[in-house]
Amino acid sequence: SYVLTQPPSVAVAPGKTATITCGGNNIRSKIVHWYQQRPGQAPVVVIYFDGDRPSGIPERFSGSNSGNTATLTINKVEAGDEADYYCQVWDSTDDHVVFGGGTKLTVL
Amino acid sequence: QVQLQESGPGLVKPSQTLSLTCTVSGDSISNDKYYWSWIRQSPGKGLEWIGLVYSGGKTYYNASLKSRVLLSGDTSKSQVFLRLNSVTAADTAVYFCARLVSKFGDFYFESWGQGTLVTVSS
Repeated sequence: SYVLTQPPSVAVAPGKTATITCGGNNIRSKIVHWYQQRPGQAPVVVIYFDGDRPSGIPERFSGSNSGNTATLTINKVEAGDEADYYCQVWDSTDDHVVFGGGTKLTVL
Repeated sequence: QVQLQESGPGLVKPSQTLSLTCTVSGDSISNDKYYWSWIRQSPGKGLEWIGLVYSGGKTYYNASLKSRVLLSGDTSKSQVFLRLNSVTAADTAVYFCARLVSKFGDFYFESWGQGTLVTVSS
């Protein structure tokens, strides 16, 4: 089965750039989606189809996918961005949704 | 705007069946643009996909749960159901229902319910 690997935690100062990675074997061949989950809340999609942003998500959020790593980038990080972030793909080999283990973003 | 609301018992005894309902408002579950799914999250842990169901009844399940899970829907009530048999303490989690968008043979979770906590304990 397909595995997605994320760093458990990332810390960044306000106003700086946060980079959260999602590793997978030849992940560039898959489409990656990203979710933000604040404590006690349901996840919210922040990036879909590698780099598209839903309405209401700030332009500070962007995504890319290349080689064996997909990346969620958050520019000019704000305190309100502190949350857990999950990457997700559809594994068509097994007909499975696969989530990464999640990354806790801490704003210093 | 679609809204999803999970409901069901908050406490289930070991070896019994967990049954949850997701009531969808603002859309019909027979809308063939979307799929409907269940995801769970154990306390302090990450997201675990359970399965998804399509309006035509087609289902996909997480292989690790497939032998114990059944998803179904009632279009007349706009409800999606989860049944998980033979539960243990390891099934204690917040259970979310979600609407999936499918495009180019791929899926992502566009809308989520608020989740409901189910505890398995005697």
